[in-house]
This record gives sequence, C-alpha cells and structure tokens, in this order.
Amino acid sequence: QVTLKESGPGILQPSQTLSLTCSFSGFSLSTSGICVSWIRQPSGKGLEWLATICWEDSKGYNPSLKNRLTISKDTSNNQAFLKITSVDTADTAIYYCARSELGAPFDYWGQGVMVTVSS
Amino acid sequence: DVVMTQTPVSLPVSLGGQASISCRSSQSLVHSNGNTYLHWYLQKPGQSPQLLIYRVSNRFSGVPDRFSGSGSGTDFTLKISRVEPEDLGDYYCLQSTHFPLTFGSGTKLEIK
Repeated sequence: QVTLKESGPGILQPSQTLSLTCSFSGFSLSTSGICVSWIRQPSGKGLEWLATICWEDSKGYNPSLKNRLTISKDTSNNQAFLKITSVDTADTAIYYCARSELGAPFDYWGQGVMVTVSS
Repeated sequence: DVVMTQTPVSLPVSLGGQASISCRSSQSLVHSNGNTYLHWYLQKPGQSPQLLIYRVSNRFSGVPDRFSGSGSGTDFTLKISRVEPEDLGDYYCLQSTHFPLTFGSGTKLEIK
C-alpha cells in the first residue's frame, strides 16, 4: 500500500526558509521509474507544480520560483525534502507531495500540509 | 510555459446525467517520443487530488469506466457518464510533455 505524508513548520515569517518533508511507504525512490514531486495549492485556488526528484537523482524545478527551490531525497529513510528560500505571503498554501511512476504522474498523493507565511 | 485552458469553470449536472470537460493547451502535447502526456485529476471537497486518467485515455487503477478521456494534439475531453454523488468536486487537467508541468485552472462539477 502506497502512502505519503507531508510535514512542515505550519507557520513562518517572511524571508525565512521553508523546509518540508515527505515521508512515504509502499515504494522506494531507488526503484527505476519512480519520482516524487511537490505541488502546492493556495486556499481556494488551483494546483501549481513545484519540483520533482527521480530515482536516479535527476531533478526538475518550476522556473517561476526562480532559484528559490531545492529538492532532495533520503532513499534509505524513504523521505523526500523541499526547501523554499525567502518566503513571502504568496507562498501560503497547502503543500502536497505525490509519487509518479513512468507514464502515470502523481498517481498517489499525500494528505497535504498547510503552510502560512505571516509576520 | 504551456497554458492549459479548461472549460467550463463550473458545470451543473443532474445525478445520472453526463458531463463533459474540455482542456485545451497552448501548444501541442505530443512528445518527441510520440506519446501525449495529458492527464486528469479529481479533487473531492477537503481531499487531495486523485488521478483519474493518464496519457489521454488510460483509466488509473480502480477508476470506474464511467470516466473516459479522449483527444489529441491540443484539444482534450474528459467525459463522465451516469454522474454519481461521489463524482462531485474540482477536475484538473495536467500536461507533463513540456517543462514546467502545468495544470488547468479547474472545473467544478456540482449538482444542478
């Protein structure tokens, strides 16, 4: 059974760095064809893809966030991570992690974690 | 970036009826490998999105055959027949042919 669960700080101040963790089970990020991505959704709005990391350590980022994103993984502990630097109120959203298998993107999602940026 | 335009924004349907959602892309979604990476998701109220259809017309595991996807190039459609209460929510298309991956803005399926 594939499960994913996000965790994060809940609330942080503008200009700080947001660190998110995706803990998963039921699959391995060392298996060929497997990737984990981060997607976010501001309240009442649509979905925005942020970043993806794959089994062979390839990475992709949404250029709209310029160079603020860093995605990484810990294969032995079944975790993936996302850092977003210099946050502001526009980064307030629910953050999801999701698995992809070759050809079927985001086939399993976590429950999401709410992040609020406020002074 | 590839812009994904979904219509309608809101779709009132009767239970047992049929619904059709359109997704149009600003450029062709045919990859150089010949595949078309257009996918559909449903986000039920208060839940995470769930995959319905991948690569235009392939139903994900456990998705009822009431859901069907079609289209090619830049023009795609999700059809839902015999709408049930559990089908209500926000539907999103996603393209993963081009970087960055982009979602449509969503269609809310609601009861008429």
